[in-house]
Amino acid sequence: DTAVSQTPKYLVTQMGNDKSIKCEQNLGHDTMYWYKQDSKKFLKIMFSYNNKELIINETVPNRFSPKSPDKAHLNLHINSLELGDSAVYFCASSRTETNEQFFGPGTRLTVL
Amino acid sequence: AQKVTQAQTEISVVEKEDVTLDCVYETRDTTYYLFWYKQPPSGELVFLIRRNSFDEQNEISGRYSWNFQKSTSSFNFTITASQVVDSAVYFCALSALNSGYALNFGKGTSLLVTP
Repeated sequence: DTAVSQTPKYLVTQMGNDKSIKCEQNLGHDTMYWYKQDSKKFLKIMFSYNNKELIINETVPNRFSPKSPDKAHLNLHINSLELGDSAVYFCASSRTETNEQFFGPGTRLTVL
Repeated sequence: AQKVTQAQTEISVVEKEDVTLDCVYETRDTTYYLFWYKQPPSGELVFLIRRNSFDEQNEISGRYSWNFQKSTSSFNFTITASQVVDSAVYFCALSALNSGYALNFGKGTSLLVTP
């Protein structure tokens, strides 16, 4: 059983489109996160949710909107995609905010 | 503000050599957590270890060992008798209240182990 899953694994789309990435964890964790890994492999936090409430909202364009329908899911919706959005997006979860985070397999987004 | 520095961008060793990956951090929080993650060529991020700022005991897990020294703000990672399967990018990370406990990652060290 996959602990943290993301769909899709690959996403290729045109500039200007709107797309969503889904994340689900079956670990019973309270906290979920979205990270972005750029082409130089640098990982940076985007959002964090604790029990469906937004905790961290880093400086990301407001074209990015996270949605947490329940504790086990944290989806990422991106409007008006730009070339610079091309990256690998990782979802993660942790039991509490201070515990280790477990990562999903990543979604490689390519904007053409 | 928190900062994690991994000064070694790339390291190349021959199998069976020991290798140490350096990690230096900065934070004003008195309570914080340090982590190491491994990212093999397949791309997933694998959790290796978590330490809190009050526990300076070194840890050993098989061929892996970690040396946490608050006096030098370092949390170094040593692989003993390296193997080809250890080839990966290794990330050191810091979390603290000041950043909402999000992981602040270093830029990673790419380790290549050749036969």
